[in-house]
Amino acid sequence: GAVVSQHPSRVICKSGTSVKIECRSLDFQATTMFWYRQFPKQSLMLMATSNEGSKATYEQGVEKDKFLINHASLTLSTLTVTSAHPEDSSFYICSARLRTEVTEAFFGQGTRLTVV
Amino acid sequence: AQSVAQPEDQVNVAEGNPLTVKCTYSVSGNPYLFWYVQYPNRGLQFLLKYITGDNLVKGSYGFEAEFNKSQTSFHLKKPSALVSDSALYFCAVRDIGDYKLSFGAGTTVTVRA
Repeated sequence: GAVVSQHPSRVICKSGTSVKIECRSLDFQATTMFWYRQFPKQSLMLMATSNEGSKATYEQGVEKDKFLINHASLTLSTLTVTSAHPEDSSFYICSARLRTEVTEAFFGQGTRLTVV
Repeated sequence: AQSVAQPEDQVNVAEGNPLTVKCTYSVSGNPYLFWYVQYPNRGLQFLLKYITGDNLVKGSYGFEAEFNKSQTSFHLKKPSALVSDSALYFCAVRDIGDYKLSFGAGTTVTVRA
């Protein structure tokens, strides 16, 4: 299957700082990438959908000024958690779909964010 | 609207026994159905999918799932479970006309030696 690489896998930051998470499709072009948040022992919550070259579409209740998403190329999307607070601590996962009509999404390995 | 239900939070089986993880879904149109597995602190790995055609779908690591339209179910099965199958399993659905995946709450599978 296609490979999606997410970096970093773990990050600890101080409250008030910003953290950037990268999601790359390594062997395919992804017109659409998705960002999820997962709380312990819970399902994935879709935060936003990013399309290459356009603004991200955020789900209801997700603060777009706090979670900045950029999809500058067909292989890279970034999620920046701005002015992070301890309640932003979570597991963040990205996924990507192939440019052509292939139905399944491929997921990155996730990023464990801890804000202290 | 689309949704997925995984009625069991946990499934415990002995190694070598059959494993079943249940999933029911709701979509307005025709569904695309998926199973993913997640190991601790990792992303999701794709196991199998149903798009159209044969109701019995075979996937990775010996897993299979049966699409049942009348019962709106897509249960995941493995004839003989391994300890290494212990993980968190997610069922997901996407309406053909939608780009978003909806996930179930997840089922934790524990296979004891």
